[in-house]
Amino acid sequence: EVQLVESGGVLVQPGGSLRLSCAASGFSFSDCWMSWVRQAPGKGLEWVANINQRGSDENYADSLRGRIAISRDNARNSLYLELNSLRAEDTALYYCVRHGYYNFDFWGQGTLVTVSS
Amino acid sequence: QSALTQPRSVSGSPGQSVTISCTGSSSDVGAYDYVSWYQHHPGKAPQFLIFEVSKRPSGVPNRFSGSKSGNTASLTISGLQAEDEADYYCCSFSDGSTHWLFGGGTKVTVL
Repeated sequence: EVQLVESGGVLVQPGGSLRLSCAASGFSFSDCWMSWVRQAPGKGLEWVANINQRGSDENYADSLRGRIAISRDNARNSLYLELNSLRAEDTALYYCVRHGYYNFDFWGQGTLVTVSS
Repeated sequence: QSALTQPRSVSGSPGQSVTISCTGSSSDVGAYDYVSWYQHHPGKAPQFLIFEVSKRPSGVPNRFSGSKSGNTASLTISGLQAEDEADYYCCSFSDGSTHWLFGGGTKVTVL
């Protein structure tokens, strides 16, 4: 059974940083592109970043580029997202998502990041 | 780039059909057949519904169908059922620097 389990979401002050993690199981993690997608309260989905199988190709949404970094550890079947200089508008549920061929074929349950003083 | 444009809500009675539009541009929806759709029941993980405009993953009922014309893609739900009440999102690959664009989401209400 495919599982993606996110963790690391917390309440953080504006300007702070945090690292989200995603533990993958039930499939060959090292064979898949992976993405982070977020959903702010009451808003729609927003693609954040993705990374290729070997971690050598990273892509970021324009709105976040420069403040985030995606990475992976295939030995640990884990995906990560580092968020820096956090703002109130970064408050969202962050989903770890597996890529199919030009689509997103499996989603985790999400981890909640709240940016507030 | 802007998000893709979807209607905020659509509704229909059980057994009826509803169609959700998703309008983009010549840089995304109009340029590629990499349009996908996702069903999201609040509090749960989004579910993969349609890929490459009109293809259904294994296990998705054939009540769900997709199409595209120009810069607009559409999702049609035929034979609406109570469990179809959810939020639906379209997504397209884009040749802009933000590679993936989602629509704002459409809430489907079963009357």
